[in-house]
Amino acid sequence: DSGVTQTPKHLITATGQRVTLRCSPRSGDLSVYWYQQSLDQGLQFLIHYYNGEERAKGNILERFSAQQFPDLHSELNLSSLELGDSALYFCASSVGGFVDGYTFGSGTRLTVV
Amino acid sequence: GESVGLHLPTLSVQEGDNSIINCAYSNSASDYFIWYKQESGKGPQFIIDIRSNMDKRQGQRVTVLLNKTVKHLSLQIAATQPGDSAVYFCAENKGRGNQFYFGTGTSLTVIP
Repeated sequence: DSGVTQTPKHLITATGQRVTLRCSPRSGDLSVYWYQQSLDQGLQFLIHYYNGEERAKGNILERFSAQQFPDLHSELNLSSLELGDSALYFCASSVGGFVDGYTFGSGTRLTVV
Repeated sequence: GESVGLHLPTLSVQEGDNSIINCAYSNSASDYFIWYKQESGKGPQFIIDIRSNMDKRQGQRVTVLLNKTVKHLSLQIAATQPGDSAVYFCAENKGRGNQFYFGTGTSLTVIP
């Protein structure tokens, strides 16, 4: 157990729908990062939050959004889902704003049908 | 665009042998590199990191070498064990906040 908790582990939904993925960082970690892992794209950085504030954006689609709450858990919202959004979505956390080998959760496998 | 690539998508080694996994990076401004191991059904697990002011760093059974001249990174695993079977990713931090660019991964299979 890495200490980073992601729910749900699996999610199957239809095209056009909206889903929310949840991440609880390790105790004491202020930074949360979201990554998408697909077979053809590998691990792609989506977004980084630090203590509730957005710090960096990567290859995140406009249909996707995220936030980090006061208790430091984070949610990734995916809307108007397409078949190509099927992927593993990972959350990672670290103590501070500068990465020093952050810890990944076990991921949420999203399947869009 | 810029990318981190791995030379070999798959690697098979005999148990007990040493493994070497290579990685090329394209951005000379990168100053921090991490190797991750990902086992089936799990998230990437930090193995070892190295900063650009170093050429070599050793951990437990693992060594990372950085050659900035040719923008090459390698991960050496000593006395490879069946538990080392996994996909290995290198990632570079290009100094743009905390974004990491991951390679597509090398699948390491250890033959008992």
